[in-house]
Amino acid sequence: AQSVTQLDSQVPVFEEAPVELRCNYSSSVSVYLFWYVQYPNQGLQLLLKYLSGSTLVKGINGFEAEFNKSQTSFHLRKPSVHISDTAEYFCAVDSGGSNYKLTFGKGTLLTVNP
Amino acid sequence: NAGVMQNPRHLVRRRGQEARLRCSPMKGHSHVYWYRQLPEEGLKFMVYLQKENIIDESGMPKERFSAEFPKEGPSILRIQQVVRGDSAAYFCASSPGVATNEKLFFGSGTQLSVL
Repeated sequence: AQSVTQLDSQVPVFEEAPVELRCNYSSSVSVYLFWYVQYPNQGLQLLLKYLSGSTLVKGINGFEAEFNKSQTSFHLRKPSVHISDTAEYFCAVDSGGSNYKLTFGKGTLLTVNP
Repeated sequence: NAGVMQNPRHLVRRRGQEARLRCSPMKGHSHVYWYRQLPEEGLKFMVYLQKENIIDESGMPKERFSAEFPKEGPSILRIQQVVRGDSAAYFCASSPGVATNEKLFFGSGTQLSVL
């Protein structure tokens, strides 16, 4: 069975500060890893994904994530956040290679304050 | 270009009633996926459908839950004889095809509350 743990339910930061949203997963097999973002009153949107290859993955809106197999982590980072980055962020894992049989974490609410 | 549309946004049912949740995929998408987010948990996969076919229902509860995606019209997730434990947010996603590199597009979800 696979599972995802997002260690922080809420992360408040000030505008232009760096941010890291943490994600750890458990799976007995190779995984695909994803970060999704949900802005208020909208559906989830894919930020970035790791399938294979380089462990540093760059996504949209200046976000990036690093896959660390030994620590079973896939933390999301942005060097300088904007007010518009305020949203809920979900980490997800797919250990079946299907791209749809995803298990998500509970989400981290990022609030960017002026 | 409208995204994935789910309705209703909020649905209230009493125990024992039926709940019908609708999902219209993005234009040109023929693959639909349903996920459920129980309180204090993350979203979990329920079922994957193509037009008129159920491809993977490995995440569906064995009883009372069914899903369809007819040739015409939206995909429907149907829950019969709802119980309090069915209260959750139900999300639908769609894609043009299923492959490792296909991107899923999600709707805003339907919040089901069972009284």
